Amino acid sequence: EVQLVESGGGLVQPGGSLRLSCAASGFTLSSYWMHWVRQAPGKGLVWVSRIDSDGSDTSYADSVKGRFTISRDNVKNTLHLQMNSLRAEDTAVYYCWGYHMDVWGKGTTVTVSS
Amino acid sequence: DIQMTQSPSSLSASVGDRVTITCRASQGIRNDLAWYQQKPGKAPKRLIYAASNLQSGVPPRFSGSGSGTEFILTISTLQPEDFATYYCLQHNSYPLTFGGGTKVEIK
Repeated sequence: EVQLVESGGGLVQPGGSLRLSCAASGFTLSSYWMHWVRQAPGKGLVWVSRIDSDGSDTSYADSVKGRFTISRDNVKNTLHLQMNSLRAEDTAVYYCWGYHMDVWGKGTTVTVSS
Repeated sequence: DIQMTQSPSSLSASVGDRVTITCRASQGIRNDLAWYQQKPGKAPKRLIYAASNLQSGVPPRFSGSGSGTEFILTISTLQPEDFATYYCLQHNSYPLTFGGGTKVEIK
């Protein structure tokens, strides 16, 4: 079964850091571009970042540029999102997403609050 | 950045109704548009890709049309399991942008 499972979410103070991970199973992650999408409580979907298949090219939403870093480990079939300088407005459920296969994780919740 | 304006933001409808949702792009995006359905507490699910192509496994009561800047999602005969929030997504250029969503509620 094709599956993505996120981890690493939690409660963090403003200015803090978190590293999200997304483990893929049932398919070879290295074949696909991958994305992170987030959804604040009661709000819509917002694209955050993407990485190409070998990790050589990345893109970010302006709201996270310079603070978030997307990366991948194709040997471990895992995607990451390093989030630094977190703000209250980063509070959301974060989904990893393989667009071409339309595979989504169940999401991991990040709460930024003092 | 390409803005996606989705309307309406919510609607009330009855089982059996025909429902249409519109997305307008701030600039031409060819047919680089997909439609997603999301139920509470769940990840989104793609219904339509390339503006008018039905995703495998999605019931044929869902259809998409449009190209350029205006796109429509139609549910021909609303079923109880269709009450959800729907989003359009443009993937013509980065940053990818979603519409604001349309919540379809039971009348």
